[in-house]
Amino acid sequence: GAVVSQHPSRVICKSGTSVKIECRSLDFQATTMFWYRQFPKQSLMLMATSNEGSKATYEQGVEKDKFLINHASLTLSTLTVTSAHPEDSSFYICSASGLAGNTGELFFGEGSRLTVL
Amino acid sequence: AQSVTQLGSHVSVSEGALVLLRCNYSSSVPPYLFWYVQYPNQGLQLLLKYTSAATLVKGINGFEAEFKKSETSFHLTKPSAHMSDAAEYFCATLNSNSGYALNFGKGTSLLVTP
Repeated sequence: GAVVSQHPSRVICKSGTSVKIECRSLDFQATTMFWYRQFPKQSLMLMATSNEGSKATYEQGVEKDKFLINHASLTLSTLTVTSAHPEDSSFYICSASGLAGNTGELFFGEGSRLTVL
Repeated sequence: AQSVTQLGSHVSVSEGALVLLRCNYSSSVPPYLFWYVQYPNQGLQLLLKYTSAATLVKGINGFEAEFKKSETSFHLTKPSAHMSDAAEYFCATLNSNSGYALNFGKGTSLLVTP
């Protein structure tokens, strides 16, 4: 199946710094990428949807100025957590869709665990 | 909006026993339904998906799920549990309001005992 790669898999940073997480589709062109956040022992919550070349669409309650999403190419989307605080510590997972519409063919990255000290 | 509800946050079975993980959906239109598995500190792996073709869907690792419209259910089963099946399982449906992202259930943690 298609492969989606996230980097870094783990990152520890100091409070107030910014962290960038990359999501790459390795063998297909991802027209749409989704970013999810997962707290320990909880489900995945959709943060935002990004389409290549356009601004991301954020879910209600997600601060777009804090979680900057860029989808500059068909194979790369980045999530930047700006001025990170301990409450931003979480598991962030991206998924990518290479097919139009509602076929539901989504591929997930391995996730990135952010710890903010 | 389409949503799913997973009954039981924790399920424990003995090795070799039947696995049954429950999922009910809420949708006004024929849904697309999925089951994913997540191992610790990893992303999600698709087990199977229902896209309005056959109501009995066979997936990887011996799992299968049956779509029952009358019960609005899409329960996941496996005849004989292996120790390696211990993981978190998520039922999900497509969210047509968010560019076809997935709405996930809260997850069910499967424990397999020797």
